[in-house]
Amino acid sequence: QVQLQESGPGLEKPSGTLSLTCAVSGDSISSSNWWNWVRQPPGKGLEWIGEISHSGSTNYNPSLKSRVTISVDKSKNQFSLKVSSLTAADTAVYYCARVSGYSGYYGMDVWGQGTTVTVSS
Amino acid sequence: DIQMTQSPSSLSASVGDRVTITCRASQSFSSYLNWYQQKPGKAPKLLIYAASNLQSGVPSRFSGSGSGTDFTLTISSLQPEDFATYYCQQSYSIPWTFGQGTKVEIK
Repeated sequence: QVQLQESGPGLEKPSGTLSLTCAVSGDSISSSNWWNWVRQPPGKGLEWIGEISHSGSTNYNPSLKSRVTISVDKSKNQFSLKVSSLTAADTAVYYCARVSGYSGYYGMDVWGQGTTVTVSS
Repeated sequence: DIQMTQSPSSLSASVGDRVTITCRASQSFSSYLNWYQQKPGKAPKLLIYAASNLQSGVPSRFSGSGSGTDFTLTISSLQPEDFATYYCQQSYSIPWTFGQGTKVEIK
């Protein structure tokens, strides 16, 4: 059974940098899947942040691209998210998710339970 | 970016009702459309991929249809555990984008 587990500080200061890690179990980070980050502000909908492949190729949401870095650590079977220049608008539940392919179609089939990040002084 | 618009934003229904949620895309992309269910305090769950394919383990009362710009999620007979928020998501082009969600509430 594939499981994803987010970890990281729950409180960050404005202008600071958020760092989260997603530990993968039951699957290899080196598989053909893509590894994603999605966030959800309180009471709002889902926003895709970005993704990384096993080889380190990345795709980012243009709305966040200048502030976001996603990396992979194969030795620990995990991937990470950094978001810089934080503001209150970055307060959200952050999810990691696996994207799997189905004959050329892709879906986020496994999700972490989510971690809440609050940006406040 | 491809904009995804769901309707309605919320609905009230009774157990046993047939429920239909619509998702419209700002540009055409064949069947690159997924549906997710999210319950309060929980992560989203993939229900339907490629517009009409049921994810493993999802009850058969859920079905999806559509292609191009107009897609539909149907719950044939609403069950108590189906009260949740549903999101569509396009997987055609980066950035992946979601609809704003449809909240299904108990009447």
